Amino acid sequence: GENVEQHPSTLSVQEGDSAVIKCTYSDSASNYFPWYKQELGKRPQLIIDIRSNVGEKKDQRIAVTLNKTAKHFSLHITETQPEDSAVYFCAASLSGGYNKLIFGAGTRLAVHP
Amino acid sequence: DGGITQSPKYLFRKEGQNVTLSCEQNLNHDAMYWYRQDPGQGLRLIYYSQIVNDFQKGDIAEGYSVSREKKESFPLTVTSAQKNPTAFYLCASSIQGAKSGELFFGEGSRLTVL
Repeated sequence: GENVEQHPSTLSVQEGDSAVIKCTYSDSASNYFPWYKQELGKRPQLIIDIRSNVGEKKDQRIAVTLNKTAKHFSLHITETQPEDSAVYFCAASLSGGYNKLIFGAGTRLAVHP
Repeated sequence: DGGITQSPKYLFRKEGQNVTLSCEQNLNHDAMYWYRQDPGQGLRLIYYSQIVNDFQKGDIAEGYSVSREKKESFPLTVTSAQKNPTAFYLCASSIQGAKSGELFFGEGSRLTVL
């Protein structure tokens, strides 16, 4: 089955710096890669996703890149702000009839003013 | 106001007791899921259901049971057979079909076994 590894487990940056979180997956058939953000005490929420027919996707300060050959994808946050502090989860699945997402272990991002 | 509602938010259980966590959604989503969240281990899939009266085991189904008698409801029972039940449990739902993507999560239920 699919296995997703996520690094680093914790990340500390200064406000305004960039943050990068990386994930690798094992199943070459996976074709859907979302990223979820979970603020302290709150539910996870989708922030961006990418499908395998696309190499990069941007939404304001966040972007995701996908390298299907190497089976890895990354989340990039530019100009970080204190409100970006949260736990970020990557995931992978076979899209289609249902979303059996396999999640990474999460990255705790701390943005210091 | 559409969304997913989980209850109770906090639950304490004695060893050997079964407990049922409620999950209700009014998003008209076909698919529903239960995930377990432990520190440093991300979200692990317990059970999922694509349609009423049908469900499949996820990666860590042992010691858990579910039912899907109604589209809106997907309760999870943590049985006494679950060896380490203390955890944070998240229910989610999604649209069925090829263009499905986003999981919508409830606020979670934190179970503590005393």
